[in-house]
Amino acid sequence: DGGITQSPKYLFRKEGQNVTLSCEQNLNHDAMYWYRQDPGQGLRLIYYSQIVNDFQKGDIAEGYSVSREKKESFPLTVTSAQKNPTAFYLCASSPPGIASYNEQFFGPGTRLTVL
Amino acid sequence: AQSVAQPEDQVNVAEGNPLTVKCTYSVSGNPYLFWYVQYPNRGLQFLLKYITGDNLVKGSYGFEAEFNKSQTSFHLKKPSALVSDSALYFCAVRALYSSASKIIFGSGTRLSIRP
Repeated sequence: DGGITQSPKYLFRKEGQNVTLSCEQNLNHDAMYWYRQDPGQGLRLIYYSQIVNDFQKGDIAEGYSVSREKKESFPLTVTSAQKNPTAFYLCASSPPGIASYNEQFFGPGTRLTVL
Repeated sequence: AQSVAQPEDQVNVAEGNPLTVKCTYSVSGNPYLFWYVQYPNRGLQFLLKYITGDNLVKGSYGFEAEFNKSQTSFHLKKPSALVSDSALYFCAVRALYSSASKIIFGSGTRLSIRP
């Protein structure tokens, strides 16, 4: 999974709890992304960041928050406001610049389950 | 608006036979097209991409894809399937000069290769 690590691999959350998913990359990539994967729905973009200290909402940002204090790190917090958080979460990054032809590099994912 | 369709949820092929996984897209202007593969409980791995030039693109693990502008398609192909090719395959599209966030993934096609 090419220099991107995600932890934990599995995470269980109780109702009303906030949890934070870690994403770290050592590829010197500027852009980082968070996706949610549900069966049969492909990947949906939650948040993305093109540079340190800046991030933008994706298509399904409600109930999630992020920070980008370091180039290498882009943690995702799933808040209690997210009504259906059970899913597989994928972090990705792409090479310097925002050229449209750059492919994304993905981490191994975190599977979040609400108990 | 950008969109990508993978019309088959599942494709079944016998080992040694050729395989095709279909992808069609809709985008304003010229597209950048990508194929990714996902093994169970793992992140996505980049296979190949079309930027410009030769319509036949060669990628990892013996896969190739053919860009057809008139049919707005980018089908993934392999001349001789292996059992180890069994996985979930995603097609993705991004428009020329679009922002880094505007990559759209298809819903995925599960490829099953029987011995």
